[in-house]
Amino acid sequence: EAGVVQSPRYKIIEKKQPVAFWCNPISGHNTLYWYLQNLGQGPELLIRYENEEAVDDSQLPKDRFSAERLKGVDSTLKIQPAELGDSAVYLCASSASGGFNGELFFGEGSRLTVL
Amino acid sequence: QQQVKQSPQSLIVQKGGISIINCAYENTAFDYFPWYQQFPGKGPALLIAIRPDVSEKKEGRFTISFNKSAKQFSLHIMDSQPGDSATYFCAASTDKLIFGTGTRLQVFP
Repeated sequence: EAGVVQSPRYKIIEKKQPVAFWCNPISGHNTLYWYLQNLGQGPELLIRYENEEAVDDSQLPKDRFSAERLKGVDSTLKIQPAELGDSAVYLCASSASGGFNGELFFGEGSRLTVL
Repeated sequence: QQQVKQSPQSLIVQKGGISIINCAYENTAFDYFPWYQQFPGKGPALLIAIRPDVSEKKEGRFTISFNKSAKQFSLHIMDSQPGDSATYFCAASTDKLIFGTGTRLQVFP
């Protein structure tokens, strides 16, 4: 069974440019998460989807970040415009259960470098 | 109150030794405590998890010890192997999964 797939794996852009990350969760997983992982830190939740609905986006910087999960499967996370401080790894995860009392399956992440 | 404090930041252990990583929390509403393992260039993967109604859980060489009154829990890796070299994150959840800051473990032959 395929795991969580993310692309691109690496992206280098100049500040003020837009960038988008794509995530395909494990088949059948209704819950999808985007996490931010800064160097040497633990992942921090940006947004959680239950099917198509964003049920927790309280930590998403909405002035420059947006996300969507059309049809309740794939998801896209966008940053526009990117800032130097956005350099980090963006992790996508999915789970079968709706709550946080179950296993999260993470993708390999998309590493963003903003110059 | 939502933080999970993890220590040490890094750990060097000889092959065959015991690796111990500690975490502490404040929020008594946390009801699930997983440990995730992350190799360089990979996403975190669930290693072992415990709920607050038990004090210990063992899976192979990995054991979680949980002290509800002290609001602390720890990961013990017995007979540590070079292949265990990775970053380990404790976490805790209610409606959100809060990760600790991570411990980089290096196991030398």
